[in-house]
Amino acid sequence: EDQVTQSPEALRLQEGESSSLNCSYTVSGLRGLFWYRQDPGKGPEFLFTLYSAGEEKEKERLKATLTKKESFLHITAPKPEDSATYLCAVPPFSGGYNKLIFGAGTRLAVHP
Amino acid sequence: KAGVTQTPRYLIKTRGQQVTLSCSPISGHRSVSWYQQTPGQGLQFLFEYFSETQRNKGNFPGRFSGRQFSNSRSEMNVSTLELGDSALYLCASSLGARGEPNYGYTFGSGTRLTVV
Repeated sequence: EDQVTQSPEALRLQEGESSSLNCSYTVSGLRGLFWYRQDPGKGPEFLFTLYSAGEEKEKERLKATLTKKESFLHITAPKPEDSATYLCAVPPFSGGYNKLIFGAGTRLAVHP
Repeated sequence: KAGVTQTPRYLIKTRGQQVTLSCSPISGHRSVSWYQQTPGQGLQFLFEYFSETQRNKGNFPGRFSGRQFSNSRSEMNVSTLELGDSALYLCASSLGARGEPNYGYTFGSGTRLTVV
C-alpha cells in the first residue's frame, strides 16, 4: 500500500537553529514527491517537487533532498515566519497525478 | 491572477442535513481535486474532476459526491451529514493537461464545515 510517513510530528526550534524534517515513502513507482507548507486556516502552499534520487531544490532557507526511500526538508537559520505545518505528498502509482497521498505533516514552531 | 476561491469559508450544519461546497479554479485550469482534512486523518483525497468528468476517486462513502461545470467550477455535496464529516474541505486546481501537480497545483483556503 502506498504510504507517506513524516517525522517528527512536531518540532520546536530557536531562531537560527537549523534542523531537518523527514518524509519517508513507500510507493510502487515514484512519480514525484511534493513538499507543501500550510499555515493555520489556509490551504497548503506548494514548495517543491522532486523526481529522482539525488535531486535537490532550494528556496530561501529551505532545501529539499530526495533518496530512494525518503526526502528531507532542511531548514537553515529559521525565522519565526517559517513556523507552519510542512506536508509531503506523493501521487500513488496508479490513479493519476492529480491525486496525492499526504503525510500527517510536521508542525514547526520557530521562537525568537 | 486570482487564486482558487472556495465558498463559503465557514459552515455549520446539523446532523442529517446536506451541504454543497463550491470551488472556482484559477482561470485556465481544467482539473479540480477535492480533499478532506481532519486532525485525525490528515489530508485525504476525495475526487478529481477534469472537463466535467470524474477522473479519480478516493475511498469515501457515496454520501460524498461532486460535479464540475463547463466553466471548470466545481461543487461537492455531502448528504446525510454525520458528526465525523466535520473537517476542512480543500480544493486544488491545476492545468490538468499533462496531469502533473506541479503544473500549477494550487489549493484554495478551504471551507471549514462543522456538523453539530
